[in-house]
Amino acid sequence: EAGVAQSPRYKIIEKRQSVAFWCNPISGHATLYWYQQILGQGPKLLIQFQNNGVVDDSQLPKDRFSAERLKGVDSTLKIQPAKLEDSAVYLCASSPRTGGNQPQHFGDGTRLSIL
Amino acid sequence: AQSVTQLDSHVSVSEGTPVLLRCNYSSSYSPSLFWYVQHPNKGLQLLLKYTSAATLVKGINGFEAEFKKSETSFHLTKPSAHMSDAAEYFCVVSQAGGYNDMRFGAGTRLTVKP
Repeated sequence: EAGVAQSPRYKIIEKRQSVAFWCNPISGHATLYWYQQILGQGPKLLIQFQNNGVVDDSQLPKDRFSAERLKGVDSTLKIQPAKLEDSAVYLCASSPRTGGNQPQHFGDGTRLSIL
Repeated sequence: AQSVTQLDSHVSVSEGTPVLLRCNYSSSYSPSLFWYVQHPNKGLQLLLKYTSAATLVKGINGFEAEFKKSETSFHLTKPSAHMSDAAEYFCVVSQAGGYNDMRFGAGTRLTVKP
């Protein structure tokens, strides 16, 4: 089975610019997650989708971050405008369905550097 | 609310010796617990999970973990370290009956010396 696909792998931008990341989950997985992983820390959940609806976005900085999952498959995460503290790896994960006992399958992430 | 504390930020072992990575958790409900491994520039890979079945959980690559409710611990062990085990390891707690609100520990970096 194909894994979670993310692109781009690396992105370098200047502060105040905008950037977008793309994620394609494992086929048939209803639940999709975006995480932010700052260097030296564990991943922090930004947003969780169940199909094309948002389950949890309580930790998403909504003044600059946005995410969508049109048609309940692919998802994009956008930052506009970027700040220096947004430098991190952005991980996408998926699971067959929501539920606390469901392991998540992760992509390789997008490493974002803000100059 | 739930959280995990990984007691060691860095563990160094020699190849062929046992590995112990320590994790304590806090959860108001019956927890699901996971260990993930992350190699450099890669995503996270599931090693094993505990979801209220057997308290001793066997995972991939010879790793296992024991759920101890009385100690609120879920330590990860392996009898004999291999060079390829060098990576970052994350302990994760989730509410078993919840919507999958995973909380990650800060991670333990495992170094394996030849």
